[in-house]
Amino acid sequence: NAGVTQTPKFQVLKTGQSMTLQCAQDMNHEYMSWYRQDPGMGLRLIHYSVGAGITDQGEVPNGYNVSRSTTEDFPLRLLSAAPSQTSVYFCASSRRSTRGSSYNSPLHFGNGTRLTVT
Amino acid sequence: GENVEQHPSTLSVQEGDSAVIKCTYSDSASNYFPWYKQELGKRPQLIIDIRSNVGEKKDQRIAVTLNKTAKHFSLHITETQPEDSAVYFCAAENYGQNFVFGPGTRLSVLP
Repeated sequence: NAGVTQTPKFQVLKTGQSMTLQCAQDMNHEYMSWYRQDPGMGLRLIHYSVGAGITDQGEVPNGYNVSRSTTEDFPLRLLSAAPSQTSVYFCASSRRSTRGSSYNSPLHFGNGTRLTVT
Repeated sequence: GENVEQHPSTLSVQEGDSAVIKCTYSDSASNYFPWYKQELGKRPQLIIDIRSNVGEKKDQRIAVTLNKTAKHFSLHITETQPEDSAVYFCAAENYGQNFVFGPGTRLSVLP
C-alpha cells in the first residue's frame, strides 16, 4: 500500500495563476480532507469529503475548490493564487461509514505539497 | 464548534527526563483523541490515540491520559531521546465530525 500520495511536492506560482494539487489514497478510505499548515498555526481544515460525490467546507475554504468523483482521488484546486496561500498543504484520509459516522480511526497524511505564491 | 488548546508551545528537556504535553478541548461530545508527531519537513504521523471510554493508554515510552470530566488529555514521554525532538499535535474528534488540532508543541531533547 502506498497510503496517501500527494503531487507535486513543491510548486511555485505567480499571483493569479491556477493549479491543482493531487491527492490519491489506496486504503479505500471514505473520508478525505485537505489541511494547510502555516508556522505557529497548526493544521487548518480547508475542505473535506465523507464519500464520492460529497464535499463540504472546512475552516478556511476561501480560494479553494474540491471535487470527489472517485473514492481514491480528492484534488484541491487553487482558482487564482494569492501570496496568502503560500503554505504547506497536506491531504489526509481515514475510515468512515458511508454516512460519515466515525470509526474513531486516525487520519493518515500524505507527504505534503510546499506551495509558494509570488 | 470544538476548540483545542495545547500547552506548552515549546518544551526543552534533558535526555532521559520525562516530557508532558497537555491539551484541553471544549466539546464534551468529542470521543477520540489522537496524538501526532511531526519531524521537520515531514508529514504528521500518529504515535498514540485514546478513545473516550478509556482513561489511559501506554505504548512503550509513550502514554496518554484522558480526563473526560475536566476535558483534558495529556501526552507523557518517558526516558526521552534526541530522536523524540519534533513538533507534537493533539487532536479531538467528535463522532461523525472533523478532527480539530491543537497548535502544536515543539519538543527539544537536549543531549
